Amino acid sequence: GAGVSQTPSNKVTEKGKYVELRCDPISGHTALYWYRQSLGQGPEFLIYFQGTGAADDSGLPNDRFFAVRPEGSVSTLKIQRTERGDSAVYLCASSPEASGNGYTFGSGTRLTVV
Amino acid sequence: GQNIDQPTEMTATEGAIVQINCTYQTSGFNGLFWYQQHAGEAPTFLSYNVLDGLEEKGRFSSFLSRSKGYSYLLLKELQMKDSASYLCAVAGGSYIPTFGRGTSLIVHP
Repeated sequence: GAGVSQTPSNKVTEKGKYVELRCDPISGHTALYWYRQSLGQGPEFLIYFQGTGAADDSGLPNDRFFAVRPEGSVSTLKIQRTERGDSAVYLCASSPEASGNGYTFGSGTRLTVV
Repeated sequence: GQNIDQPTEMTATEGAIVQINCTYQTSGFNGLFWYQQHAGEAPTFLSYNVLDGLEEKGRFSSFLSRSKGYSYLLLKELQMKDSASYLCAVAGGSYIPTFGRGTSLIVHP
């Protein structure tokens, strides 16, 4: 597609539920990044994929968070047993390669845990 | 890891010039980015500096000094639509950009 697409744009879920957030990167971009942004803060790195593999998952806060990119294109961020503190905007970005230049963000998914 | 510092908020007058500073400490360096983010929207790319010096792009310019761990974003001929958060991000040895908290710029008439 023309840009990075994220769905849903908004998600409200109850505490303890499981959620999946989807990211469809720019066609041909091999690098894909997930970030989380809380109000008044900059984006916080979660995980980086190069192709199908998670090259760096050091930003995942705990084992309730998991992400996959099985075919090297679309990625899904999965959150188990959601907590109110997980409420944030989850941003996905992609770039042509690992250099980080040409880095384009999607519009994000606003997750609210009630 | 990286440590990035930028002012929380700045105000300026329409038509004026404003400089937003960013200082950083990093292990490894693979570039510094500036992004603009309007409320409720995704960050949009403004500039990327990997070598020392000034990069000019229309009304926006970005400067980098690697030896000082310092960058600034210069906005000229400010317009009301420039009111936004400006994010400084540094790519360290892993190439993964780490973002600062952002500087909220308020442009008033």
